[in-house]
Amino acid sequence: EVVMTQSPATLSVSPGERATLSCRASQSINTNVAWYQQKPGQAPRLLIYGSSTRSNDIPVRFSGSGSGTEFTLTISSLQSEDFAVYYCYQYNDWPRTFGQGTKVEIK
Amino acid sequence: QVQLVQSGGEVKKPGASVKVSCKTSGYTFRHYGISWVRQAPGKGLEWMGWIYVYNEGTRYKGSFEDRVTMTVDRSTATAYMELTNLRLDDTAVYFCARVQTGTNEFLDPWGQGTLITVSS
Repeated sequence: EVVMTQSPATLSVSPGERATLSCRASQSINTNVAWYQQKPGQAPRLLIYGSSTRSNDIPVRFSGSGSGTEFTLTISSLQSEDFAVYYCYQYNDWPRTFGQGTKVEIK
Repeated sequence: QVQLVQSGGEVKKPGASVKVSCKTSGYTFRHYGISWVRQAPGKGLEWMGWIYVYNEGTRYKGSFEDRVTMTVDRSTATAYMELTNLRLDDTAVYFCARVQTGTNEFLDPWGQGTLITVSS
């Protein structure tokens, strides 16, 4: 199965700063990756699909990039509501797999 | 709007079975798939499998292959996930999610989650 490795595990960022989250796939998955945000007690929320396409109603401060095995989610200026856990997800191969998550916390 | 509403939480004993429902609304049920994802307490997301509503074709993660069954009822636009021979480590929140079919098979939106607790 495709192993998705996210780094770092925890990212401490001050409000207004930029956050860069990484996701590496164990084999090429083209651009078949999505990013999700999850807050405590809530279901995950789709942010990005196709590596770089923002989902509906997602603020422009969220952007995604990458192809093949290296992917990045960037939050240009962190707002208070962005502190959460972020997961990458590949839908190129079976079984589908998630990364282990990156927690973005307030510095 | 598109909604997925799941059944309520349950407590089960080891060896028992559980069937979780996911009632959908706001879209054409047969044009999409439904995936099931679980999350153990304090852990990450684990993809369990997928059912394509149109032809009821399924794909399961290997580690669940012999214990999970995913089905749909087109008449009520409801998906079901049954997990048998429950173990203590099956304690988790179970989510259903709509699967976009075609070029980009992402999961969106998600149900609210169903807590299944396995305890002796």
